[in-house]
Amino acid sequence: DAGVIQSPRHEVTEMGQEVTLRCKPISGHDYLFWYRQTMMRGLELLIYFNNNVPIDDSGMPEDRFSAKMPNASFSTLKIQPSEPRDSAVYFCASSLGAGVVTNEKLFFGSGTQLSVL
Amino acid sequence: QKEVEQNSGPLSVPEGAIASLNCTYSDRGSQSFFWYRQYSGKSPELIMFIYSNGDKEDGRFTAQLNKASQYVSLLIRDSQPSDSATYLCAVTTGVDTGFQKLVFGTGTRLLVSP
Repeated sequence: DAGVIQSPRHEVTEMGQEVTLRCKPISGHDYLFWYRQTMMRGLELLIYFNNNVPIDDSGMPEDRFSAKMPNASFSTLKIQPSEPRDSAVYFCASSLGAGVVTNEKLFFGSGTQLSVL
Repeated sequence: QKEVEQNSGPLSVPEGAIASLNCTYSDRGSQSFFWYRQYSGKSPELIMFIYSNGDKEDGRFTAQLNKASQYVSLLIRDSQPSDSATYLCAVTTGVDTGFQKLVFGTGTRLLVSP
């Protein structure tokens, strides 16, 4: 398996522009997570999906952020309009399950380094 | 209060020594505890998980859990320079709501000197 695939690896954009980050989870994994990592705040959960349905989006910072999972093999995280404070590494992760008795091991993608100028 | 707290470090130990990494959490209902390792510029990778009070050993790594004290630790024996990385403690929260999620600490940076 190729693992969790994210694109692009690096994104540099100007303030006000729309940014779309993409993720392909591991086949067969029914949970998908979007995390954001900064030095100050560490890894923050933005949103997660179970079987393509958003379960918890309480970590999405504001209405400028939106995420979709149209099918089991693809998800997007969109920021519109982008701001300099959105600069961070955005990780996508997938897992087989999120329950206590199931395998909760998260498999992370390589991340997208986003720089908003 | 942060949900998961770790000392940011760096924790410096000489090669061959025992490195002790600590983590506290706020949700008394948390049931699952994880240690992830993250090399600079890379993504986190799971190295240990523990569900029950006590110790769990895997090679040079030992995870320790004390739910009464809401404390989890990771011991690395015979530390190697290749162990130099940031170690992230992660805890499941929201068990009582039925919507569990994994919350990460900000990580402890470990430096193992040759």
